Amino acid sequence: DAKTTQPNSMESNEEEPVHLPCNHSTISGTDYIHWYRQLPSQGPEYVIHGLTSNVNNRMASLAIAEDRKSSTLILHRATLRDAAVYYCILRDVDFGNEKLTFGTGTRLTIIP
Amino acid sequence: NAGVTQTPKFQVLKTGQSMTLQCAQDMNHEYMSWYRQDPGMGLRLIHYSVGAGITDQGEVPNGYNVSRSTTEDFPLRLLSAAPSQTSVYFCASSSTGGVEKLFFGSGTQLSVL
Repeated sequence: DAKTTQPNSMESNEEEPVHLPCNHSTISGTDYIHWYRQLPSQGPEYVIHGLTSNVNNRMASLAIAEDRKSSTLILHRATLRDAAVYYCILRDVDFGNEKLTFGTGTRLTIIP
Repeated sequence: NAGVTQTPKFQVLKTGQSMTLQCAQDMNHEYMSWYRQDPGMGLRLIHYSVGAGITDQGEVPNGYNVSRSTTEDFPLRLLSAAPSQTSVYFCASSSTGGVEKLFFGSGTQLSVL
């Protein structure tokens, strides 16, 4: 199974940008990089995903390294509502590998 | 659309009792899965299914059974509950393939005494 590695925790000041890293050195050419976040006492929710190119949506941006062995989730202006656990996972483009493992993620604390 | 619906939200069991956690989705998703989350920990995959009639084991399958007789439903059965199964359980669904995102239910908090 393709694995990801994330720091256990990070802190950021409110209204500052936040860069959350993820290493996935064993990524295959057909793996999409997905990010999810889990707010306190809630189920995880989708944030963003991409394959090779950088991606933007209303929640965040995803920067993918040229060799695809790492990626960074960027929250452009953190708010207190962004305090959550952020998970980076890999998901194969094809039907073949759906054993999706999440790991422990990065706990993001926002300082007012 | 209701999305992914989990019932019950809370459950207390005695050791040795059996029960079924229900998960239903109305998005015609092929992929469904069950995770457990212990306090302060990440999500661990219990079982998953890529379509009706197809199930497979995840990281921590022992003590749990699943079946997928319809596309919509993916129940998780605890045959003989143990205190070690006290956890929060999340169900997820998706269309298959990496381009698709996962949708999660709101969770079932289970306590086994």
